[in-house]
Amino acid sequence: NAGVTQTPKFQVLKTGQSMTLQCAQDMNHEYMSWYRQDPGMGLRLIHYSVGAGITDQGEVPNGYNVSRSTTEDFPLRLLSAAPSQTSVYFCASSYGGRTDNIQYFGAGTRLSVL
Amino acid sequence: AQSVAQPEDQVNVAEGNPLTVKCTYSVSGNPYLFWYVQYPNRGLQFLLKYITGDNLVKGSYGFEAEFNKSQTSFHLKKPSALVSDSALYFCAVRWKTSYDKVIFGPGTSLSVIP
Repeated sequence: NAGVTQTPKFQVLKTGQSMTLQCAQDMNHEYMSWYRQDPGMGLRLIHYSVGAGITDQGEVPNGYNVSRSTTEDFPLRLLSAAPSQTSVYFCASSYGGRTDNIQYFGAGTRLSVL
Repeated sequence: AQSVAQPEDQVNVAEGNPLTVKCTYSVSGNPYLFWYVQYPNRGLQFLLKYITGDNLVKGSYGFEAEFNKSQTSFHLKKPSALVSDSALYFCAVRWKTSYDKVIFGPGTSLSVIP
């Protein structure tokens, strides 16, 4: 059981480049989310999805796009990378329908933008 | 505005001593409360949650948490700390509007000293 898989684990980009962070889960979870983790700021929600075809913005969505064409996959796209997007990115998933459901996290993608 | 606070960036405790990691929140209604742990270079892992009922919740690895509604607090505790408990601990609050909303605290780094 793989759980939540994120690729790549590490990435270095130049300012202005674009890239896609991949996230896949094999637990048939409806809810998926993307967070960024910065020192002293906890996890901040970028975008989330409550099911295939449905996405919405979180706390810090600017500069990021998402789509959810399947239940399993929830890629995060950086349109034009900026140094302020240097961070560790986590994907999470959970069952839908109950607010007390726990979230399962991937191992993270460490991104540096030069 | 909804918020979650972890007033201590760092908690140091001697091995074998009891530990407490504090969390307070400001969220309207009756949110669900969670604790997650993050080991170095890993994603977050669920420890325990409070939904309703007994104010003392027991979770994984001998951890427990005490919910106090009047103080809007949810402090994490363990009677006897282990060196292997050294990690980053996050408090999270989740509640339902049109969709599930979640806020993470900034995290508390726990160091257990041999």
